[in-house]
Amino acid sequence: EPEVTQTPSHQVTQMGQEVILRCVPISNHLYFYWYRQILGQKVEFLVSFYNNEISEKSEIFDDQFSVERPDGSNFTLKIRSTKLEDSAMYFCASRDRGVYNGYTFGSGTRLTVV
Amino acid sequence: RKEVEQDPGPFNVPEGATVAFNCTYSNSASQSFFWYRQDCRKEPKLLMSVYSSGNEDGRFTAQLNRASQYISLLIRDSKLSDSATYLCVVNSRADGGSQGNLIFGKGTKLSVKP
Repeated sequence: EPEVTQTPSHQVTQMGQEVILRCVPISNHLYFYWYRQILGQKVEFLVSFYNNEISEKSEIFDDQFSVERPDGSNFTLKIRSTKLEDSAMYFCASRDRGVYNGYTFGSGTRLTVV
Repeated sequence: RKEVEQDPGPFNVPEGATVAFNCTYSNSASQSFFWYRQDCRKEPKLLMSVYSSGNEDGRFTAQLNRASQYISLLIRDSKLSDSATYLCVVNSRADGGSQGNLIFGKGTKLSVKP
């Protein structure tokens, strides 16, 4: 079964450092997403990406965050200057056409900011 | 505010029990609905989409009541492997177009005991 692949599975970084989280969505999917889940809380939307541009972003996705699809297969989330409160599980997701299709999520990157 | 509300749980049930999860959503124009399950520290996995006429997949039955903005999931003959957190998820896009993003409930934890 096709998978969304995320790397690394766990990243520890010092406050103020930049991190890049990487994702390889399912190859024929057109819509890409980043979500995060702080421990014990609900899954929260960060950003959606379609046709090589951001289509929607949440209040969480401020100027410290950016996304790229540099080479047609990878989809990255960059956090420029990490804060303690950025510690969370970050999930990448993708889906095909059709709003009735569910999203496929990657296994996540656990980001720990110390 | 667009929100998805679920039973707080947790539900602790014996094997073989029937369990019902309930969910309400605030955006009356939402058009696609899903149940996901999430195992501890894992990614959400699509359990089933929820259609207007209701739908069944083996031991799982999902219902949608648009007038009440209410979604349900019934699990019959519960198994130990059903132990997980069940997430009610709604697509936020009001016009049901090809874009949108998923809004997650906080989830209801289910523990099935032998």
